[in-house]
Amino acid sequence: GENVEQHPSTLSVQEGDSAVIKCTYSDSASNYFPWYKQELGKRPQLIIDIRSNVGEKKDQRIAVTLNKTAKHFSLHITETQPEDSAVYFCAASLSANAGNMLTFGGGTRLMVKP
Amino acid sequence: DGGITQSPKYLFRKEGQNVTLSCEQNLNHDAMYWYRQDPGQGLRLIYYSQIVNDFQKGDIAEGYSVSREKKESFPLTVTSAQKNPTAFYLCASYDRDHEKLFFGSGTQLSVL
Repeated sequence: GENVEQHPSTLSVQEGDSAVIKCTYSDSASNYFPWYKQELGKRPQLIIDIRSNVGEKKDQRIAVTLNKTAKHFSLHITETQPEDSAVYFCAASLSANAGNMLTFGGGTRLMVKP
Repeated sequence: DGGITQSPKYLFRKEGQNVTLSCEQNLNHDAMYWYRQDPGQGLRLIYYSQIVNDFQKGDIAEGYSVSREKKESFPLTVTSAQKNPTAFYLCASYDRDHEKLFFGSGTQLSVL
């Protein structure tokens, strides 16, 4: 089955700096890659996703890049703010149309210092 | 609040006891899921249901049971066979039209 590795497990940045979180996956058939943000004690929320037919997607200060050949994808947050502090999870799936197919990475705890 | 309600927020289990976690959604989603989250780890799939009266085991189903008698409800029972039940449990439902997974607010289960 699919295996998703996420790095780093913790990341501390100064407010205004950029943060990058990287994930690798094992199944070359995976074609859907969402990112979730989970604030302390709250539910994970989808912040951005990418499908295998594109290499990059942006939404304001957040971007995700995908390298299908190398089987890795990354989350980029620019101009970080204290409210970006949370745990971020990447995931990979064989299909966007099946939540049961999602395999999650281990999570990255991002701390943005004011 | 996302249309998925989990209760209770905190739950304590005694040795040898079965406990049931509630998950209700009013989003009219067919598919529902239960995930377990341990500290410093990702989400692991326990059980899922694609439609009423049908459910399938996920990656870590041992010691758990579910039912799906109504579209809106997908309760999870943590049985006494689950020897390490302390974790944060998340229920989710899937919006096929928008291809998005929505999570409930979670239940923290602890052993007394």
